[in-house]
Amino acid sequence: AQSVTQLDSHVSVSEGTPVLLRCNYSSSYSPSLFWYVQHPNKGLQLLLKYTSAATLVKGINGFEAEFKKSETSFHLTKPSAHMSDAAEYFCVVSDGPGNTGKLIFGQGTTLQVKP
Amino acid sequence: ETGVTQTPRHLVMGMTNKKSLKCEQHLGHNAMYWYKQSAKKPLELMFVYNFKEQTENNSVPSRFSPECPNSSHLFLHLHTLQPEDSALYLCASSQAGGGGSNQPQHFGDGTRLSIL
Repeated sequence: AQSVTQLDSHVSVSEGTPVLLRCNYSSSYSPSLFWYVQHPNKGLQLLLKYTSAATLVKGINGFEAEFKKSETSFHLTKPSAHMSDAAEYFCVVSDGPGNTGKLIFGQGTTLQVKP
Repeated sequence: ETGVTQTPRHLVMGMTNKKSLKCEQHLGHNAMYWYKQSAKKPLELMFVYNFKEQTENNSVPSRFSPECPNSSHLFLHLHTLQPEDSALYLCASSQAGGGGSNQPQHFGDGTRLSIL
């Protein structure tokens, strides 16, 4: 079965410093992986997705993630945090090959950005 | 502006009431989903519809009854709910008959449901 683990429930950074949100996955096949962001009182917004093309994936708002098969990781990074980046971030893995319609969500990481 | 619209945004109801949540997508997708998001818990998939047909019911209690009249609209009918059903209910849609391996899901802003 597929699963995803977000290694930190809370991450706090200062504005202008780098962001690292860690995610490990478990999958019996070549997975599709996603990062979503959720701002307060909002739905989830897709930041980026990995679907077996380039291992370094660039997303919106300056975020990127690197797929490392040997480490079963898909960490999310951003060179310089902005106050508007404060939100909940979810690492997500698809629940099987083909169009199953199911995604497996991590527990979420709350990113706090201090001025 | 989101392509997935949910109404109402907030709903307070008693345990004996009957209400419905509505979701509409303007993205031309053919798969729609209901999720439950509770505090301190991962997002829980409730139902999946592909081309108006229900393809997944994730052991959801019968007091939640989904309806998908067409590929653009999805409803969640509620009756005799319990306090533990208080949560944010999110609707999502995707392309290609169910999303799955490489089709991301697009989410609405949710309905915040409170059961008295």
